[in-house]
Amino acid sequence: GAVVSQHPSWVICKSGTSVKIECRSLDFQATTMFWYRQFPKQSLMLMATSNEGSKATYEQGVEKDKFLINHASLTLSTLTVTSAHPEDSSFYICSARDTDTLGYEQYFGPGTRLTVT
Amino acid sequence: AQSVTQLDSHVSVSEGTPVLLRCNYSSSYSPSLFWYVQHPNKGLQLLLKYTSAATLVKGINGFEAEFKKSETSFHLTKPSAHMSDAAEYFCVGRAGGYNKLIFGAGTRLAVHP
Repeated sequence: GAVVSQHPSWVICKSGTSVKIECRSLDFQATTMFWYRQFPKQSLMLMATSNEGSKATYEQGVEKDKFLINHASLTLSTLTVTSAHPEDSSFYICSARDTDTLGYEQYFGPGTRLTVT
Repeated sequence: AQSVTQLDSHVSVSEGTPVLLRCNYSSSYSPSLFWYVQHPNKGLQLLLKYTSAATLVKGINGFEAEFKKSETSFHLTKPSAHMSDAAEYFCVGRAGGYNKLIFGAGTRLAVHP
């Protein structure tokens, strides 16, 4: 149980285009999902907290107009990178919080590798 | 402020020898602490978690960690390393009622034959 999927697993896009990444909790409901960014050989950096039915909360320094987050259902959150540039190339990982379990444990998706050319 | 410090960026061991990955935390609250493993180009897998029920926590794949409040440590150990243990390991904290996870910088474990 407690599986989180991401789609696509990897994507290549041209500079100036937008790309959408999906994060799904497959066997539990997640009122809260998190989006992280990971540069090569570095730790995860929290970008934003996504709450179902409300606006996302962005961490300091993260451009909310560039990284659009939508959490329209209890099992799906999407991250759209708008007008992508090569510096947006990174590994994006989502996690989902199972609010029905003690400890509010987060379950992580497998990640999406974005390459902007 | 809460923080998690992994004391070693790289650890190298021989197959069959013990593994020790060190983690210290700083928190004003009784923390929840986790160890996650990440294999190359993969997401994070939970190895174990501490949530104040027991100070010695056993996880998957033979890993365990001991919460020591006096030392503010949560070191990860395994008696005998396998080649498949080679990966990046993250010590992660969550303080009090906050939802956010605080990640350590990571420790890359190499296992040699």
